Amino acid sequence: DTAVSQTPKYLVTQMGNDKSIKCEQNLGHDTMYWYKQDSKKFLKIMFSYNNKELIINETVPNRFSPKSPDKAHLNLHINSLELGDSAVYFCASSQVPGSGGTGTDTQYFGPGTRLTVL
Amino acid sequence: QQQVKQSPQSLIVQKGGISIINCAYENTAFDYFPWYQQFPGKGPALLIAIRPDVSEKKEGRFTISFNKSAKQFSLHIMDSQPGDSATYFCAASGYNKLIFGAGTRLAVHP
Repeated sequence: DTAVSQTPKYLVTQMGNDKSIKCEQNLGHDTMYWYKQDSKKFLKIMFSYNNKELIINETVPNRFSPKSPDKAHLNLHINSLELGDSAVYFCASSQVPGSGGTGTDTQYFGPGTRLTVL
Repeated sequence: QQQVKQSPQSLIVQKGGISIINCAYENTAFDYFPWYQQFPGKGPALLIAIRPDVSEKKEGRFTISFNKSAKQFSLHIMDSQPGDSATYFCAASGYNKLIFGAGTRLAVHP
């Protein structure tokens, strides 16, 4: 069974459209994340949720809105897509947010969603 | 202060050689330093990690060396294999998140 899954794997859309990416984890973790990986492979955190509560928002444009219906799901909705939004988006999960000092802060990543905005 | 600097950007090693990737950080609040491995088309996966109270950690062919006073840590891959060809990211944990280095693309030639 896949630990962290994302759908869709590929998303091609026109500028100005609205799209969503879904993420689910079956690890029983309390914390979930969204990362953006640009064309140069740089990984940057966007959001983090712990027990369905937003704990990190890294100055992401408000066109990006995460939603966590329960601890196992964290979806990302993007309004008015722009060319610069083209990237690979990764969902991840961990048992606790950040370093718990106990080795429970390992983050497990999903396979990624490649978003292309034309 | 939240940056993690990683070098080199890319690395070519012959099969059987040693691959070395270096990282440096500034913020002493970081308290967990993992390395992630990413193959093309896949998500990053934890490879090995170290806490700052340990100077070295070894798992198979992979070793992390940690220098707390210099605020530097490195990944050594012994007997590098073509299957090790991937992008490697160092990271530092703090402030409820992981901060990643820019990544190193490793190519191991047969």
